[in-house]
Amino acid sequence: GDSVTQMEGPVTLSEEACLTINCTYTATGYPSLFWYVQYPGEGLQLLLKATKADDKGSNKGFEATYRKETTSFHLEKGSVQVSDSAVYFCALSGWNTGNQFYFGTGTSLTVIP
Amino acid sequence: DADVTQTPRNRITKTGKRIMLECSQTKGHDRMYWYRQDPGLGLRLIYYSFDVKDINKGEISDGYSVSRQAQAKFSLSLESAIPNQTALYFCATSEVSNTGELFFGEGSRLTVL
Repeated sequence: GDSVTQMEGPVTLSEEACLTINCTYTATGYPSLFWYVQYPGEGLQLLLKATKADDKGSNKGFEATYRKETTSFHLEKGSVQVSDSAVYFCALSGWNTGNQFYFGTGTSLTVIP
Repeated sequence: DADVTQTPRNRITKTGKRIMLECSQTKGHDRMYWYRQDPGLGLRLIYYSFDVKDINKGEISDGYSVSRQAQAKFSLSLESAIPNQTALYFCATSEVSNTGELFFGEGSRLTVL
């Protein structure tokens, strides 16, 4: 079945460090891929998405590229800030999943000053 | 005001009690979902509804039931709560699209003693 596997955390970085959170997926067809972020005490909100191969989603300095050949959608940021501390979830959805969303287990990021 | 509103935000109850979590949305979306979040397990789908007359079981529906009272309202019930249903519950909505994102409520934290 369809699934998402993402890098386990927790991840602790110093401010201005580079971030990569790995995400790989298994799916039939061509799903849309998403990164959601959950700040402490809040619900999840969309960070970025990509709907077809080679698309790059970007938002708030974060980027992720839909790589069909490696079935990956890694999240990257060149310089993290304390305010980026949150839990990040990779997810997929599409017609072949009945439009259900499949989430990874989440990666907790803490950025220290 | 939030587009997706959940009540209550926090609830402590005892084993065997009936609990209802309510969700209402102002986004005008037909699709609504209930997820459960547990540490290390990510989000798991409990039930989803693609319109008022359509209710579907998700990955972990046992012990739960739902009611779609209107396009804007989707309630989750635990008929006889048990301690392993202690979790953070999220309601979400989405458009009818294979590229559409999920919009989440702020969550309902349920503790079953």
